[in-house]
Amino acid sequence: EVQLLESGGGLVQPGGSLRLSCAASGFSFSTYVMTWVRQAPGKGLEWVSSITNGGLRTYYADTVKGRFTVSRDDSKNTLQLQMSSLRAEDTAIYYCAKDGIEDVVTPFFFDSWGQGTLVSVSS
Amino acid sequence: SYDLTQPPSVSVSPGQTATITCSGDKLGEIYAYWYQQKPGQSPVVVIYQDTKRPSGIPERFSGSSSGNTATLTIVGTQALDEADYFCQAWDSGAVIFGGGTKLTVL
Repeated sequence: EVQLLESGGGLVQPGGSLRLSCAASGFSFSTYVMTWVRQAPGKGLEWVSSITNGGLRTYYADTVKGRFTVSRDDSKNTLQLQMSSLRAEDTAIYYCAKDGIEDVVTPFFFDSWGQGTLVSVSS
Repeated sequence: SYDLTQPPSVSVSPGQTATITCSGDKLGEIYAYWYQQKPGQSPVVVIYQDTKRPSGIPERFSGSSSGNTATLTIVGTQALDEADYFCQAWDSGAVIFGGGTKLTVL
């Protein structure tokens, strides 16, 4: 059974930093593109970032480019999102998601999602 | 930036057919994917690559794509299908989600 467990969320002041993690199990982590998707309270889904196996390629939404950095440790089956220069509009639940297609170099769709971790940016 | 447009809400009576559309200029060239999200839960993919249904998703869910519009159809809608539905595509280095459609079964 695929399991994705996010951690690291919390309350942070504007301009601050936070590091999210996602622990994966139940599948061959190293062969899948992994993605972060966020959802502001009462709003829709917003793609944040994706990373290919081995971290060879990374992709970012324009709204976070230059502020967020995605990484992965395939030896530990973990995905990370380093967030800096946080803004109020970054407040959201952050989901870790597994791609639905193995051994590809771009994200396609997401067949497994974690339960999410809440990030609140407020003074 | 590329946009996917969905109606904000759709209402359907139990047992009837619900149709949710997703419009985007490139949908005739790229695949659409559909997710169901119930309150307090994570999204679940219900249709991938325009028309394919993952294992475990009921047969009443189907997808189609024609021209610039992808469509999610639920035949014989049940009360438990009440949820938010999001379409999604991948294009030119970015994942795009539609704004979401709230399906009400009443």
